[in-house]
Amino acid sequence: RKEVEQDPGPFNVPEGATVAFNCTYSNSASQSFFWYRQDCRKEPKLLMSVYSSGNEDGRFTAQLNRASQYISLLIRDSKLSDSATYLCVVNSRTSYDKVIFGPGTSLSVIP
Amino acid sequence: DAGITQSPRYKITETGRQVTLMCHQTWSHSYMFWYRQDLGHGLRLIYYSAAADITDKGEVPDGYVVSRSKTENFPLTLESATRSQTSVYFCASSERGGQGPNYGYTFGSGTRLTVV
Repeated sequence: RKEVEQDPGPFNVPEGATVAFNCTYSNSASQSFFWYRQDCRKEPKLLMSVYSSGNEDGRFTAQLNRASQYISLLIRDSKLSDSATYLCVVNSRTSYDKVIFGPGTSLSVIP
Repeated sequence: DAGITQSPRYKITETGRQVTLMCHQTWSHSYMFWYRQDLGHGLRLIYYSAAADITDKGEVPDGYVVSRSKTENFPLTLESATRSQTSVYFCASSERGGQGPNYGYTFGSGTRLTVV
């Protein structure tokens, strides 16, 4: 089993739709969690950190479920500009080389 | 301008040549990283550095050499380039190496390397 798994998609959704991505991780010692966004042929950019209690940033909501070892990202009212690949990132507390990037989920928002 | 910059943006080289990819950051972040990104593999860590003069191997270090004599620079050298090293290379920096929800990574814009 891979350390971080994501549904590769692609997710094709109409503008205004709500879409959710899930990410599962295998290392129960993982402590820090992030969502990154990567546009085609560009560098990944930090979208948001994921806090234990869940957190929201505008149209984006991130949730963490430690018991089931998964994190989620919910995008409400999708915009064309949300089209990108979303990377789940998991970090253990004790080792810097254990920052694991998931393979990414591709999202296309359609007019 | 403050940030993290990589050079060159594009590079074509021949098999067997030595190539150095440059990475420079202006935040004085302690941690710097080199990743490669290939279709089907996602981002894979090549080397990382927790501070000047401290480097360590990541997941795929073979064929690469790094150095970090100054906090702001973290060059990556391909000692003898091979076709399998054709990839997109990203440098990243972080204040605390991602240790904690407020310390994510910031990536450079990448170097697209083709080995022919």
